[in-house]
Amino acid sequence: EVQLVESGGGLVQPGRSLRLSCTASGFTFGDYAMSWVRQAPGKGLEWVGFIRSKAYGGTTEYAASVKGRFTISRDDSKSIAYLQMNSLKTEDTAVYYCTRDVDYYDSSGYIYYYMDVWGKGTTVTVSS
Amino acid sequence: EIVMTQSPATLSVSPGERATLSCRASQSVSSNLAWYQQKPGQAPRLLIYGASTRATGIPARFSGSGSGTEFTLTISSLQSEDFAVYYCQQYNNWPPIMYTFGQGTKLEIK
Repeated sequence: EVQLVESGGGLVQPGRSLRLSCTASGFTFGDYAMSWVRQAPGKGLEWVGFIRSKAYGGTTEYAASVKGRFTISRDDSKSIAYLQMNSLKTEDTAVYYCTRDVDYYDSSGYIYYYMDVWGKGTTVTVSS
Repeated sequence: EIVMTQSPATLSVSPGERATLSCRASQSVSSNLAWYQQKPGQAPRLLIYGASTRATGIPARFSGSGSGTEFTLTISSLQSEDFAVYYCQQYNNWPPIMYTFGQGTKLEIK
């Protein structure tokens, strides 16, 4: 069974750091890009960032709201993706989901992604 | 930055009837659009990708259409388990490279 399990959430004070983990099973982790998506209480979905597979350089992209504070990494030998969150703000309070991202090419040869598997999420609360 | 706008914010439909949800992009995204369903307390689930391709295990009553800037998710005969929030999403593959979600449409029982 394909599965993603997030962990590492909790209560943290503003300005502090937290690292989330996403442990994958049931598929070849290294073949896929992975994203982090968050959802503040009562709000919609917000993409946080993603990391490409090693085949595409393992590079990362981030939303403007977290760029410079959050870092995504991956350990393909352990099938784990990480989200390192520094300088946390109260507005970072949310449920954080990790996703498996599938790549495909359109008719013009450009690469696109969509999120086909989601974890159940882990809750991060930033409060003093 | 491409902005995704969903309408209506809330849609009230009776079980057995058809529901039509809309998603508009601020500029063309070709057919690179996905739809997700989220039930309370659960993670989102992929329904449609490439604007019209159903994901694995998604019932045939769900269909997606559109290209460019206008997209539609249609649920042909609503079942009780279909009442949820639906999000559209696009992926930008030119700077700024990013995913963008719509704000969601809540489908509620009439």
